[in-house]
Amino acid sequence: EAGVAQSPRYKIIEKRQSVAFWCNPISGHATLYWYQQILGQGPKLLIQFQNNGVVDDSQLPKDRFSAERLKGVDSTLKIQPAKLEDSAVYLCASSQGIGGGQETQYFGPGTRLLVL
Amino acid sequence: AQTVTQSQPEMSVQEAETVTLSCTYDTSENNYYLFWYKQPPSRQMILVIRQEAYKQQNATENRFSVNFQKAAKSFSLKISDSQLGDTAMYFCAFITIGGTSYGKLTFGQGTILTVHP
Repeated sequence: EAGVAQSPRYKIIEKRQSVAFWCNPISGHATLYWYQQILGQGPKLLIQFQNNGVVDDSQLPKDRFSAERLKGVDSTLKIQPAKLEDSAVYLCASSQGIGGGQETQYFGPGTRLLVL
Repeated sequence: AQTVTQSQPEMSVQEAETVTLSCTYDTSENNYYLFWYKQPPSRQMILVIRQEAYKQQNATENRFSVNFQKAAKSFSLKISDSQLGDTAMYFCAFITIGGTSYGKLTFGQGTILTVHP
C-alpha cells in the first residue's frame, strides 16, 4: 500500500513570495490533515478535511494561508505572501475514517520550507 | 487548554539497554487516546504505540510499552533492548473525543533519543 505522498520535498523562497505544497493521501482515506512543524517543536494542526469539506481550520492563518482538497482526494496548501516565520516543515497526514480519535494518522515525508 | 509536556529534550542510551521517555498532559476531557510517534531523521512520522484512556491495562508493542497513569496524567514510553534504528525524535500526543478539540491531535515538543553502539 502506497503511503502519503508530498511534493516538493524542499523549497526555498524569499519573503513575500508565494508557494504551494501538494499532498496525495493514502487511497480511500477520507480525512486529510495539514500540520506545521517549526524546528524544535511538535507538529501543529493547520487544517483538517473530511472528504472535500473543512472540519477544522481554526489554527490556519487565513490572511496568508489557503488550502483545498480537490474531489476529496489530493490537497494543496498555499502561502501567499510568505513570511520569515513560515519557515517550517509542512506535514500532510491522512486517516481512513472521519477523523475520530481511534484512527491512526499516517504521515507523509513533509515539505521543508525555508523563507529568506 | 490542552497541552502535552515532554520534559526531556534529549536522551541517550546504549544499544540493548532500556530507556524511558516521559510525558505529561493536561485535558479536562475524560475520553481520549494517547500516542507515541517516532520521527526518524528522514522525517516521516510513524505511530509507535497507542493507549485508550478508558483502558487500565498498559499497551505494549513488541519492545515498546507504556506506563499510563490517568490520575497523574502521565504517559511514559519504555523502550527495551534498544536498537540503533530507534534513534529518532519521539513525540507524545493525545486526541480527545468530544469537546471543542474533537479529532485534533495535540503534540508535545519531542524528545531526541540517540542509541549508541
